[in-house]
Amino acid sequence: SQTIHQWPATLVQPVGSPLSLECTVEGTSNPNLYWYRQAAGRGLQLLFYSVGIGQISSEVPQNLSASRPQDRQFILSSKKLLLSDSGFYLCAWRAGLPFEQYFGPGTRLTVT
Amino acid sequence: SQQGEEDPQALSIQEGENATMNCSYKTSINNLQWYRQNSGRGLVHLILIRSNEREKHSGRLRVTLDTSKKSSSLLITASRAADTASYFCATQNSGGSNYKLTFGKGTLLTVNP
Repeated sequence: SQTIHQWPATLVQPVGSPLSLECTVEGTSNPNLYWYRQAAGRGLQLLFYSVGIGQISSEVPQNLSASRPQDRQFILSSKKLLLSDSGFYLCAWRAGLPFEQYFGPGTRLTVT
Repeated sequence: SQQGEEDPQALSIQEGENATMNCSYKTSINNLQWYRQNSGRGLVHLILIRSNEREKHSGRLRVTLDTSKKSSSLLITASRAADTASYFCATQNSGGSNYKLTFGKGTLLTVNP
């Protein structure tokens, strides 16, 4: 069966520090991968998605970036965090059809 | 940008009652999906309804879709305390990327024991 992992679960970082969040998927090949951010009490904002290794589509211009170095690994990064980067970050995957997405447990990021 | 808008934003009911949540969207869609999110957790897929379907059932869940009104509803029958969560609709828009979903802001459902 398929499993998605995200780490760390929580993170407190000072403004201006770098960021690296990792997401890995097990039990499937060539998944579509997604990074979302959820502000408190809000819906999900799609940040990046990837349909294959090295292929990244950015939805929102910002100081975040994403990379997909391996088929089932998706990384969200920043060189210098802003206060506005605080939020709940969710990774998700989809294996073509059907269209539903499967979400990881999320990372709670607080920038201080 | 947000496509779906859930209504109400918050709903509080007693255990055993039915809960109805609505979702409106703006553009043509291929399908509409409902997800549940327990506090501080990831989202869990509940049900998908295609644009050519009008109603779908899964256990205690019933989803309807009215493409002429660009709206959908999620009915949870005989609610339980464990149904307490936020519920989101998400649309896969036709004519756009086949890979993306657009989520609404969600309805927070509280089921009181």
